[in-house]
Amino acid sequence: RKEVEQDPGPFNVPEGATVAFNCTYSNSASQSFFWYRQDCRKEPKLLMSVYSSGNEDGRFTAQLNRASQYISLLIRDSKLSDSATYLCVVPPRGSNYQLIWGAGTKLIIKP
Amino acid sequence: NAGVTQTPKFRILKIGQSMTLQCTQDMNHNYMYWYRQDPGMGLKLIYYSVGAGITDKGEVPNGYNVSRSTTEDFPLRLELAAPSQTSVYFCASSYGLQPQETQYFGPGTRLLVL
Repeated sequence: RKEVEQDPGPFNVPEGATVAFNCTYSNSASQSFFWYRQDCRKEPKLLMSVYSSGNEDGRFTAQLNRASQYISLLIRDSKLSDSATYLCVVPPRGSNYQLIWGAGTKLIIKP
Repeated sequence: NAGVTQTPKFRILKIGQSMTLQCTQDMNHNYMYWYRQDPGMGLKLIYYSVGAGITDKGEVPNGYNVSRSTTEDFPLRLELAAPSQTSVYFCASSYGLQPQETQYFGPGTRLLVL
């Protein structure tokens, strides 16, 4: 099993819809995880951090399910500008500098 | 405030050639990183640095070298380029080393080795 797994998609979603995708992980005891956003042929940028209590930022909600070892990202009222690849990032057990990056889930918002 | 800058944006190398990928940050971050991103794969850490004069290997260091003579600059050297090094290379920096620290990325260098 890969340390971080994401459904590559693409998820094709109409504008205004709600979309959610998960990221499963193994070998991590971290208190925080991350979602980064990567636009086509651009660099990754931090979208939000995910803590045990979850996190919400406007239309975006991230949750951590430690028992089942996954984190989720929910996007409400999706906009055309939300089209991007969403990367799940997990700090592995036993490292204080390394991050394990998922391959990403591609989201396409259609008008 | 330019953030993290990388040059060149794109380069084609022949097998066996060498080159240096440049990375500069103006945020006074102590920590800097080099990643590669292959199609359909997550980013892999090549090397990282915790400050001027201090570097260490990441997950995939073979075929690469780095140096860190100043806080701002963190060049990545490819010696004897191989087709397996065809990838997109990202440089990043952060204020702290802990995973919780946000990493700020440069725009990337696309390298094709033929």
